Amino acid sequence: DARVTQTPRHKVTEMGQEVTMRCQPILGHNTVFWYRQTMMQGLELLAYFRNRAPLDDSGMPKDRFSAEMPDATLATLKIQPSEPRDSAVYFCASGFRLLGLAGRTPSTDTQYFGPGTRLTVL
Amino acid sequence: DQQVKQNSPSLSVQEGRISILNCDYTNSMFDYFLWYKKYPAEGPTFLISISSIKDKNEDGRFTVFLNKSAKHLSLHIVPSQPGDSAVYFCAASAGNNAGNMLTFGGGTRLMVKP
Repeated sequence: DARVTQTPRHKVTEMGQEVTMRCQPILGHNTVFWYRQTMMQGLELLAYFRNRAPLDDSGMPKDRFSAEMPDATLATLKIQPSEPRDSAVYFCASGFRLLGLAGRTPSTDTQYFGPGTRLTVL
Repeated sequence: DQQVKQNSPSLSVQEGRISILNCDYTNSMFDYFLWYKKYPAEGPTFLISISSIKDKNEDGRFTVFLNKSAKHLSLHIVPSQPGDSAVYFCAASAGNNAGNMLTFGGGTRLMVKP
């Protein structure tokens, strides 16, 4: 049963501390997405990667957030320094997309989500 | 500018009756639509999808209808069960985006009463 895994599931930290969230996409998937869910904003896209290359990170506050994929089995989202307004649930999702529109099928538009990391910054 | 909107934040339905969740979109480039279900403390789970070449897709108790001229889609759950109580998100993607990026609505919380 292939699943996206995320660690930690819960994180409580103090303002100013560094936070690192990790995601293991489904094996064979080549696109990875980071979302943030807050009560006010719903699901916000922060960044996404295809074949480990960042395609769009315009949703992220650049001064404090960074997203990387050190290898195909690991994606990280880092916040430094963290602030109370960063408190939210952070989801990672993965999918598979071939290059070019010719590789697009209904299944390639589906994203599979991890269980999320609930971050609380005091 | 919200390109995908779910105007009803919540919906309450009696067990056994039909649940209808609605979603509107503004971007005419969207050509693939999905519904996700989310339970508390879990990630969203893919439920059902529809391509813009269709106007209906059915999977068991779940049917999604697409009205392209109105830029509207709906999810029907028949019959509704208490286990269907969750937050439902609609999402859309456009064929012109390089990755399979989805735009999500704000969600509708469905409560199915026994």
